[in-house]
Amino acid sequence: GAVVSQHPSRVICKSGTSVKIECRSLDFQATTMFWYRQFPKQSLMLMATSNEGSKATYEQGVEKDKFLINHASLTLSTLTVTSAHPEDSSFYICSARETGPDRLNEKLFFGSGTQLSVL
Amino acid sequence: GQQVMQIPQYQHVQEGEDFTTYCNSSTTLSNIQWYKQRPGGHPVFLIQLVKSGEVKKQKRLTFQFGEAKKNSSLHITATQTTDVGTYFCAGTTSGTYKYIFGTGTRLKVLA
Repeated sequence: GAVVSQHPSRVICKSGTSVKIECRSLDFQATTMFWYRQFPKQSLMLMATSNEGSKATYEQGVEKDKFLINHASLTLSTLTVTSAHPEDSSFYICSARETGPDRLNEKLFFGSGTQLSVL
Repeated sequence: GQQVMQIPQYQHVQEGEDFTTYCNSSTTLSNIQWYKQRPGGHPVFLIQLVKSGEVKKQKRLTFQFGEAKKNSSLHITATQTTDVGTYFCAGTTSGTYKYIFGTGTRLKVLA
């Protein structure tokens, strides 16, 4: 099956620093990638939709200046958490949408996630 | 905005018992997908349902999409310890490619 690589898997940083997380689709081209945030034992909360070659679409309540998304190529999307604070500590997961000729066979493939801890 | 709820939130079953999780959307869906997330892992795609009233089976797993395309269910027959994890439904509406995940049902299987 399709593989999505996400790294780093774990990062610890000081408050006020910025952290970049990469999400790569290894064997397919993904025009659309998604970034989710997951708190322990909770569901995945969609943060933004990353579109190749255009601006990301952010969900209500997600600060676009705080969570910078870049989707410069068909296989790479990055999420930068700027000026991170302890409340940004969370598990961040990306997913890439693999599509067929129509929506009948589309599915999401997930990266392995990044555990961010801000001290 | 669109909300997707799942019940129950938790379920503990004895190995060999059946298990069902129900997914309800506040809006009509164009399709629904199911994912399984093992503890410490990432969600893994199980299946996609597109048609109203659709039923699909994968070995011991049976997936159903409601006639109104606002609800879905996943039924596991004769659970095994390997079924442990959290099961999420994720729905999308027509005109958008984003998937909203349900609240999840955490399954524990006691040997």
